[in-house]
Amino acid sequence: SQQGEEDPQALSIQEGENATMNCSYKTSINNLQWYRQNSGRGLVHLILIRSNEREKHSGRLRVTLDTSKKSSSLLITASRAADTASYFCATVAIKAAGNKLTFGGGTRVLVKP
Amino acid sequence: EAGVVQSPRYKIIEKKQPVAFWCNPISGHNTLYWYLQNLGQGPELLIRYENEEAVDDSQLPKDRFSAERLKGVDSTLKIQPAELGDSAVYLCASSHRGGKAEQFFGPGTRLTVL
Repeated sequence: SQQGEEDPQALSIQEGENATMNCSYKTSINNLQWYRQNSGRGLVHLILIRSNEREKHSGRLRVTLDTSKKSSSLLITASRAADTASYFCATVAIKAAGNKLTFGGGTRVLVKP
Repeated sequence: EAGVVQSPRYKIIEKKQPVAFWCNPISGHNTLYWYLQNLGQGPELLIRYENEEAVDDSQLPKDRFSAERLKGVDSTLKIQPAELGDSAVYLCASSHRGGKAEQFFGPGTRLTVL
């Protein structure tokens, strides 16, 4: 079963615009991670935000976390055609054994040149 | 550093046939995962290994799926017999032991059952 709900399911933007996608989850978490998946390929880790953090940046990526609302957002600034991919949030629950990730359904992003 | 290697990349079989997927994790990674990803959905964990021990196989359909990780390095996931509903991408990932570290994913094996 998937814990997260991602919104929107699909997003189409022009190159240079910003892309924002949201993730909601159900249980208390230790951390939340965002992954990118290009067509036909495996997932690539983008960024990890811990439950005691509210915002994190990595290059053109900005992630926020609101544990009171059990939600997170991923912002990609100044998008490029190469950012076209599916983006997944994944949570590690507080009581999860090991490093068990529970993924959301993903947001499919299309960046048009 | 070499990434997670999976083979084959694509497999087409008829229902009721057996199929096996192979994964070689990143060198030094003790933890290995197998995920199932259906079209348009996020991955779902099938089984997690710590070295050669399967420590979480609660999501593995044991009537037809099996996995092994001999010597705590490479791993094989098998389906016997395959059903139409098994058509999906099977992803392997690895990570360092413990902590809440990121996982590194292989390219996956896309299985089509006819």
